[in-house]
Amino acid sequence: DTGVSQDPRHKITKRGQNVTFRCDPISEHNRLYWYRQTLGQGPEFLTYFQNEAQLEKSRLLSDRFSAERPKGSFSTLEIQRTEQGDSAMYLCASSQGTGWGEQYFGPGTRLTVT
Amino acid sequence: DQQVKQNSPSLSVQEGRISILNCDYTNSMFDYFLWYKKYPAEGPTFLISISSIKDKNEDGRFTVFLNKSAKHLSLHIVPSQPGDSAVYFCAVRDYGKLTFGQGTILTVHP
Repeated sequence: DTGVSQDPRHKITKRGQNVTFRCDPISEHNRLYWYRQTLGQGPEFLTYFQNEAQLEKSRLLSDRFSAERPKGSFSTLEIQRTEQGDSAMYLCASSQGTGWGEQYFGPGTRLTVT
Repeated sequence: DQQVKQNSPSLSVQEGRISILNCDYTNSMFDYFLWYKKYPAEGPTFLISISSIKDKNEDGRFTVFLNKSAKHLSLHIVPSQPGDSAVYFCAVRDYGKLTFGQGTILTVHP
């Protein structure tokens, strides 16, 4: 039973560049969530999908951020024109069922914008 | 405005003693509460949860208490073990999305 996987685990980029992260949820999970965690804070909700539909987006998700889950399986999170304030850990989680099941987190992608 | 607060950034406990981690929330409409544990370089791991219809939930060494009138929950770990050393986050579930506190770093000394 594989858990949630994220790729890459670390990404260093220069300000202004675009980056894309991938999340592979637990295979039978129909919900997928993205969170962001900065130093000394808890994870903050960004967006979530039910199957391929993006159902909610936080106001933290500026227009430079876009997330997709094209076939209801893996998801990508793209950040365009990165800024130093985007440096954070980006966490993906998934859950199963028609109710709100427990969310299982991946190891995260640590983004550093120089 | 922070809806979930963990006011103690860190807690240090001797092995075998009780660890008590605290969390306060602001919205009385929240009805499901969770605790997650996080080790370095890993994602948060679900630990234990409680619904607002209960005031206590127990799972082995871990017990969560909910005081709805005070909008306060706590996690008790008895007995504490060195392997429990981690960052602990409380969270509330709001239509699926989780809102987390800032976390408390627990260190259990042998």
